[in-house]
Amino acid sequence: DAGITQSPRYKITETGRQVTLMCHQTWSHSYMFWYRQDLGHGLRLIYYSAAADITDKGEVPDGYVVSRSKTENFPLTLESATRSQTSVYFCASNQGKNTEAFFGQGTRLTVV
Amino acid sequence: EDQVTQSPEALRLQEGESSSLNCSYTVSGLRGLFWYRQDPGKGPEFLFTLYSAGEEKEKERLKATLTKKESFLHITAPKPEDSATYLCAVTPEAGSYQLTFGKGTKLSVIP
Repeated sequence: DAGITQSPRYKITETGRQVTLMCHQTWSHSYMFWYRQDLGHGLRLIYYSAAADITDKGEVPDGYVVSRSKTENFPLTLESATRSQTSVYFCASNQGKNTEAFFGQGTRLTVV
Repeated sequence: EDQVTQSPEALRLQEGESSSLNCSYTVSGLRGLFWYRQDPGKGPEFLFTLYSAGEEKEKERLKATLTKKESFLHITAPKPEDSATYLCAVTPEAGSYQLTFGKGTKLSVIP
């Protein structure tokens, strides 16, 4: 099915562990984004990518790593998870040129 | 720094009671303003894009308008299924099409 898919939908991990959230889109969109959503803060940009092998930091990048070896995939890695990274994470993509972004269903991550 | 402020934070309406949500923004050159709807446990769903002051767009009971400093989302005769959180976001002229979001307005429509 066409669209943007995130996995897993739910994840519980321990402090200090590495965890990777996956994002896959089938539209061949150039741009992909990772946001986190927290009560009181709304959606905040973590990292974005304009194309394969091109990534850049957003508003809250500390503690996260991204890669984009293929256009359709944009994984987000928490190298050493902390409780402050407990959040709902959304991946999004758009074609650039000021078009709308389409969002995945989100991954709810809990760090204990 | 780009900023988006939405008001009110929460709004309760009776079914059929029309109202408006506000989104005020500060951005160094507006490339586009976006409205999204978000249901609990789901990702934001695109509603509208507005590009220039004076522009209006409509979809069913929703109408979005844009001025140089703010946007309004007008809801006419809302139904319970319109209950959701409505998010406003902007894309500045400088940058790679990333969205800066407001914190949203949670709308509840009571039957």
